[in-house]
Amino acid sequence: QKEVEQDPGPLSVPEGAIVSLNCTYSNSAFQYFMWYRQYSRKGPELLMYTYSSGNKEDGRFTAQVDKSSKYISLFIRDSQPSDSATYLCAMSAGGTSYGKLTFGQGTILTVHP
Amino acid sequence: IAGITQAPTSQILAAGRRMTLRCTQDMRHNAMYWYRQDLGLGLRLIHYSNTAGTTGKGEVPDGYSVSRANTDDFPLTLASAVPSQTSVYFCASRRSENTGELFFGEGSRLTVL
Repeated sequence: QKEVEQDPGPLSVPEGAIVSLNCTYSNSAFQYFMWYRQYSRKGPELLMYTYSSGNKEDGRFTAQVDKSSKYISLFIRDSQPSDSATYLCAMSAGGTSYGKLTFGQGTILTVHP
Repeated sequence: IAGITQAPTSQILAAGRRMTLRCTQDMRHNAMYWYRQDLGLGLRLIHYSNTAGTTGKGEVPDGYSVSRANTDDFPLTLASAVPSQTSVYFCASRRSENTGELFFGEGSRLTVL
């Protein structure tokens, strides 16, 4: 079983929809949780970065972490065609493992006009 | 423009050949990483370097080697390429000591025949 599981989709939604992306994990040492966005043939770019449990909001994006359930989510409100990309969850244990990220498989999202 | 430069962008290679993927950053970040991305598997850590002169093994290091002679450069070498090393390779650097936020390059697409 993978340490991080992410539904690969693909997910197709109409413009303006609320999108929910999710990951589950098994390693209780993970403390730092990230969402990266990756456009086709590009490198991943950091979208959201959270520490431990709770919510974090940035514009149309909200990241949620529930450490008790080992479950993280990314919500996109008022989705736009420009949000069409692959979304990757990632997590690390921190300390000497800060940059040693464990990624989910990625969810392919298409927002159609 | 500050960032990470990877070369080559794309390469087709015969099995058994030696190949070095180059990575240069101009952000003076201490820590650098090599990940490979495969469909259905997400990104997996190959090797990392916390600072110039030091390197470490990630999740999938076999068949790869790295060096870190200075802060800016972190080349990845495949000593004798095999078809299972066909992948997209991403170099990344970490923004600061107390974060897992990584900056990624645009990737090197490698096909081993």
